[in-house]
Amino acid sequence: GNSVTQMEGPVTLSEEAFLTINCTYTATGYPSLFWYVQYPGEGLQLLLKATKADDKGSNKGFEATYRKETTSFHLEKGSVQVSDSAVYFCALSDNFGNEKLTFGTGTRLTIIP
Amino acid sequence: ETGVTQTPRHLVMGMTNKKSLKCEQHLGHNAMYWYKQSAKKPLELMFVYSLEERVENNSVPSRFSPECPNSSHLFLHLHTLQPEDSALYLCASSRRERGAVYNEQFFGPGTRLTVL
Repeated sequence: GNSVTQMEGPVTLSEEAFLTINCTYTATGYPSLFWYVQYPGEGLQLLLKATKADDKGSNKGFEATYRKETTSFHLEKGSVQVSDSAVYFCALSDNFGNEKLTFGTGTRLTIIP
Repeated sequence: ETGVTQTPRHLVMGMTNKKSLKCEQHLGHNAMYWYKQSAKKPLELMFVYSLEERVENNSVPSRFSPECPNSSHLFLHLHTLQPEDSALYLCASSRRERGAVYNEQFFGPGTRLTVL
């Protein structure tokens, strides 16, 4: 079956530091890949997505590249801000029309001024 | 604000109580979902409704009973729960379109449930 493994947190960084949150996956076929973000007290929001190999998803300064050869979709940001503090979830969809999302366990990110 | 609302936001109940969680979407979507979010575990998909018909039931215990009376509303009826059912219950909705690679799911803020 499908599975997603992401970096265990919590991760604490200083403002303006470089961020990487690792995500690898196991899936049959050609899944779509996603990063969701959950701010305190809120539900999940789609941050970025990539639907085929070598696609790069980007939003709000965050980027992730779909690497089929390494089955990875690592999240990066060049300079984090305090407002980026949240829980980040990597997820995949198997593209078989049922929109079933498989999530990782989430990584809590805290940015200190 | 994602257009998906959930009530109540917090719920404490005993194991013998019966309660219901409510989800409402204002986005014109035609599919709705219930997820369970527990600490240190991946989000678990519980139920999927498409066009008000249940299309997915991921081996959820019968003490959880979903209801989808129309495309805008989704309920989760709870009875005789166990302490291990304490979690954040998230509702989501999407617009299913035939042939689309993926249709984004929009999540509500969740109901924090504590079973004593």
